[in-house]
Amino acid sequence: EVQLVESGGGLVQPGGSLRLSCAASGFTVSTIYMTWVRQAPGKGLEWVSVIHNDGSTYYADSVKGRFTISRDISKNTLYLQMNSLRGEDTAVYYCAREYYWKLDHWGQGTLVTVSS
Amino acid sequence: QSALTQPRSVSGSPGQSVTISCTGTSSDVGGYNYVSWYQHHPGKAPKLMIYDVSERPSGVPDRFSGSKSGNTASLTISGLQAEDEADYYCCSYAGSDTYVFGTGTKVTVL
Repeated sequence: EVQLVESGGGLVQPGGSLRLSCAASGFTVSTIYMTWVRQAPGKGLEWVSVIHNDGSTYYADSVKGRFTISRDISKNTLYLQMNSLRGEDTAVYYCAREYYWKLDHWGQGTLVTVSS
Repeated sequence: QSALTQPRSVSGSPGQSVTISCTGTSSDVGGYNYVSWYQHHPGKAPKLMIYDVSERPSGVPDRFSGSKSGNTASLTISGLQAEDEADYYCCSYAGSDTYVFGTGTKVTVL
């Protein structure tokens, strides 16, 4: 059974950093595309970043240069390193498995709050 | 990338049908047949309901159907049931390995 479990969220000050993790089971993260999606309070879903099975990475303009997506094959875990955090980065962050242009499995999300 | 445009809310009585529109541009919805729809109950993980415009994953009731015309995709829920009450988001491939979501629609079962 495919399962995704996010962790690492919390309260961070503006300008600070945080690393989110997404532990995967039931499949291997290195063989498929993996995505981060976020939802700010009262707002809709926003695509954030993807890492392909070949390791290439892509980002939304809103996070480019500040966020880095990566994975650890030995831990079968996806990461999102978030630097220079801003108030508008406050959101629930979801990891999702992308399979042929669809997000077929999602985690429950982890809340990131950027505030002083 | 601007979010795809969805109505803020739609409602219907049990057994009725509702349709949610999702309007983009020729750079996303109109340019690719990679539109998907997600059901999201607050506090839960979003669930894939439709992919590739009109394909349904196994386990999704056939009451859910999708279509596309030009730059607008649509999700129709037929025979509305109480458990269908949720937020629904469309999502389209937008080229250059990026995606764009819709603004979201709250479906209310009266």
